[in-house]
Amino acid sequence: GDSVTQMEGPVTLSEEAFLTINCTYTATGYPSLFWYVQYPGEGLQLLLKATKADDKGSNKGFEATYRNKTTSFHLEKGSVQVSDSAVYFCALSAFSGAGSYQLTFGKGTKLSVIP
Amino acid sequence: DTGVSQDPRHKITKRGQNVTFRCDPISEHNRLYWYRQTLGQGPEFLTYFQNEAQLEKSRLLSDRFSAERPKGSFSTLEIQRTEQGDSAMYLCASSLLREGQYTQYFGPGTRLTVL
Repeated sequence: GDSVTQMEGPVTLSEEAFLTINCTYTATGYPSLFWYVQYPGEGLQLLLKATKADDKGSNKGFEATYRNKTTSFHLEKGSVQVSDSAVYFCALSAFSGAGSYQLTFGKGTKLSVIP
Repeated sequence: DTGVSQDPRHKITKRGQNVTFRCDPISEHNRLYWYRQTLGQGPEFLTYFQNEAQLEKSRLLSDRFSAERPKGSFSTLEIQRTEQGDSAMYLCASSLLREGQYTQYFGPGTRLTVL
């Protein structure tokens, strides 16, 4: 079945440091790929997405490129801020037998940014 | 547009009681999904609706779990005879087919605690 593997957290960075969170996936066919962010006590917010190979998703300074040869979708940001502290989830969506396109998530990576 | 809303945000109940959660999707979205998130994990898919039809329910965790979307608008998730293992965050998401994709937008979640 489909699966997503993220780098283990927690990740602690100083403000203005470079961020990379690794994500690899296994899926049949060609899934769409997503990064969601979850702040404490809240639901998930869509951060960015990519729907086909070599697409780059970007939002709020975050970027991720759909690499189907390496089955990866790593999240990057050039300069993190304290307000970026949250849990980040990599996810994929692929057609299922029931046509649901449900999301399959990684376990999440907690990011803490210190001033 | 207004986002996905869920009610209640928090629910504390005693083992053996029944609980019901409500989700109001983004108004024009025809798909509605339920997920469960346990501590330290990514969300796992439970079920989904297209309009009022429940098209996938094999992933509901047991026959104590049921969901409805009677008029194709809001949805309810019911858990009967709750157990301590049901303690989790229950997330609702909605989507609309756009550009060949069903991007899902999440609500804030209902956190259930079973004593």
